Amino acid sequence: ETGVTQSPTHLIKTRGQQVTLRCSSQSGHNTVSWYQQALGQGPQFIFQYYREEENGRGNFPPRFSGLQFPNYSSELNVNALELDDSALYLCASSPRRDSPSTDTQYFGPGTRLTVL
Amino acid sequence: LAKTTQPISMDSYEGQEVNITCSHNNIATNDYITWYQQFPSQGPRFIIQGYKTKVTNEVASLFIPADRKSSTLSLPRVSLSDTAVYYCLVGAAGYSSASKIIFGSGTRLSIRP
Repeated sequence: ETGVTQSPTHLIKTRGQQVTLRCSSQSGHNTVSWYQQALGQGPQFIFQYYREEENGRGNFPPRFSGLQFPNYSSELNVNALELDDSALYLCASSPRRDSPSTDTQYFGPGTRLTVL
Repeated sequence: LAKTTQPISMDSYEGQEVNITCSHNNIATNDYITWYQQFPSQGPRFIIQGYKTKVTNEVASLFIPADRKSSTLSLPRVSLSDTAVYYCLVGAAGYSSASKIIFGSGTRLSIRP
């Protein structure tokens, strides 16, 4: 069974640029959630996708957007990058549509984004 | 929103039992309590989830008192590999609650030889 994978592992961008991060869900999972984790902080929920539709959103501006594809893989897009966007971005998949606070979520290793 | 409060850090020794307590005074009737473990440069890993009383699995136990305003994660006979950050989450079932998940800052557990 293949776990959750994310790409790239590390990324360096400059302010104002756009970035796309990718996630492949664990086999059989139809729900994916994205989180931002700043250094020394807990993960902050960005949004969740279920069957290609946004299923819930945290307190993040519209320049954070996402997609989920028919094979349940997912992308996180961030436009107009700011210095504070520097963080570890985590993707988590789960096997059913439910609140991420009660689903067992399976996290990927994350993408470390640095904005200069 | 049910906010959680945990100790920032804890130290213990190999072979000891470690108990990490989480306070969630505003927990709602349909909220569950979930704990995750996170190693450096890795995503969090699910440990255990419960609603009330006691839950036990192969790695940990979760104790929840009758008023559910706190919970305690118990790790029996810890080893060096248990050094990690532990997060307590409180949230309700149902996708309408998806936007309300809060991880908090977690408890940094350090195990010494």
